[in-house]
Amino acid sequence: DAKTTQPNSMESNEEEPVHLPCNHSTISGTDYIHWYRQLPSQGPEYVIHGLTSNVNNRMASLAIAEDRKSSTLILHRATLRDAAVYYCILRAGRWGNTPLVFGKGTRLSVIA
Amino acid sequence: GAVVSQHPSWVICKSGTSVKIECRSLDFQATTMFWYRQFPKQSLMLMATSNEGSKATYEQGVEKDKFLINHASLTLSTLTVTSAHPEDSSFYICSARGGEEGRGSSYNEQFFGPGTRLTVL
Repeated sequence: DAKTTQPNSMESNEEEPVHLPCNHSTISGTDYIHWYRQLPSQGPEYVIHGLTSNVNNRMASLAIAEDRKSSTLILHRATLRDAAVYYCILRAGRWGNTPLVFGKGTRLSVIA
Repeated sequence: GAVVSQHPSWVICKSGTSVKIECRSLDFQATTMFWYRQFPKQSLMLMATSNEGSKATYEQGVEKDKFLINHASLTLSTLTVTSAHPEDSSFYICSARGGEEGRGSSYNEQFFGPGTRLTVL
């Protein structure tokens, strides 16, 4: 799976939107962009995924650049419960046949 | 989404003892299960992949005789840390993936358990 680059950490105020960037300049045409997050002392949980078009679900929005070399996870109103490590992962195919490989992710802190 | 459970959620043991961690898929059949290990402030590292009824495939650097994995059924996989030592203290996370075509995309998704924190004294 292609490599992704994310900032080590970000900070947000509660109730404000958060934009978490991810660079994936070596993405291939069949790679899906997945986002997972890991709350403290818990296993990762799925957030959202997409291929080319922007995606929205109840947790977040995913904005994908036109050239697909970068994407941004958008939390519309950060809450204290959103404090977690967010991982951007590329997978060949929608779900892929290989296990998820985690990079370092972005540690999001939310300030009350 | 599907639910994956782990038991125990935490365990403390003495050096030299063996510890078994269970991973169960509660509402779906998991043809493949994965075991990860996570040290403090670090990312998840894949240890091994197991398919029901066959031997696990271990990642490079992971001792298969130390970390015994059994995937005896479609809903249960176990990880046994044999002769545990303080350096084995870590957060162990299992993940399960279903593989049934036609049952919706979520059954091919990889779901994670809540993790088991192992402390070896």
